Amino acid sequence: EIVLTQSPATLSLSPGERATLSCRASQSVSSYLAWYQQKPGQAPRILIYDAFNRAPGIPARFSGSGSGTDFTLTISSLEPEDFAVYYCQQRSNWLFTFGPGTKVDIK
Amino acid sequence: QVQLVESGGGVVQPGGSLRLSCAASGFSFSTYAMHWVRQAPGKGLEWVAFISYDGSNKYYADSVKGRFIISRDNSRNALYLQMNSLRTEDTSLYYCARDWGSSGWFAPWGQGTLVTVSS
Repeated sequence: EIVLTQSPATLSLSPGERATLSCRASQSVSSYLAWYQQKPGQAPRILIYDAFNRAPGIPARFSGSGSGTDFTLTISSLEPEDFAVYYCQQRSNWLFTFGPGTKVDIK
Repeated sequence: QVQLVESGGGVVQPGGSLRLSCAASGFSFSTYAMHWVRQAPGKGLEWVAFISYDGSNKYYADSVKGRFIISRDNSRNALYLQMNSLRTEDTSLYYCARDWGSSGWFAPWGQGTLVTVSS
């Protein structure tokens, strides 16, 4: 089973700042990685798929990069609505795993 | 618009059974694979099960294999999760999610149904 680790666990930033979230896979997942955002009391929603493609309706301030085992989600300038938990997810051989999440909170 | 509505959650004793349902609308349900994903209170996301668009292929997380069964009824636009031999660690909010474009990505998600396993 491919294990995903995310860092940092918590990121404390102010609105307008840049957020850089990391996801590392225990073995290569090629570009088969997605990022989700979850706000309190809400279901997750997909932000990025195939490592760098923005899902429909996702603002351009969200971008994804990486391949193989190391991936990054960048939020170029935090808006108030971006403070949430972010999960990475991989798919491999019909098994799907999520990282433990990174909480982006207001400094 | 695309909508997924889960139901069937509740309180059940360890060793008991429960059947979750997910009603789909706003898209051609019979052409999409589907998933169940769960989230324990205050914890992260855990994928539970996958079913192909026609029900011919099913995959499970090791934590539920042999206890849970995923199924679907395309004539009713419905997805199911039969949960048997429930354990306290199965306590979670259970989401159904559409497999987006046969890609292994989850979009959209329902709002979830809460399963509590407790004596």
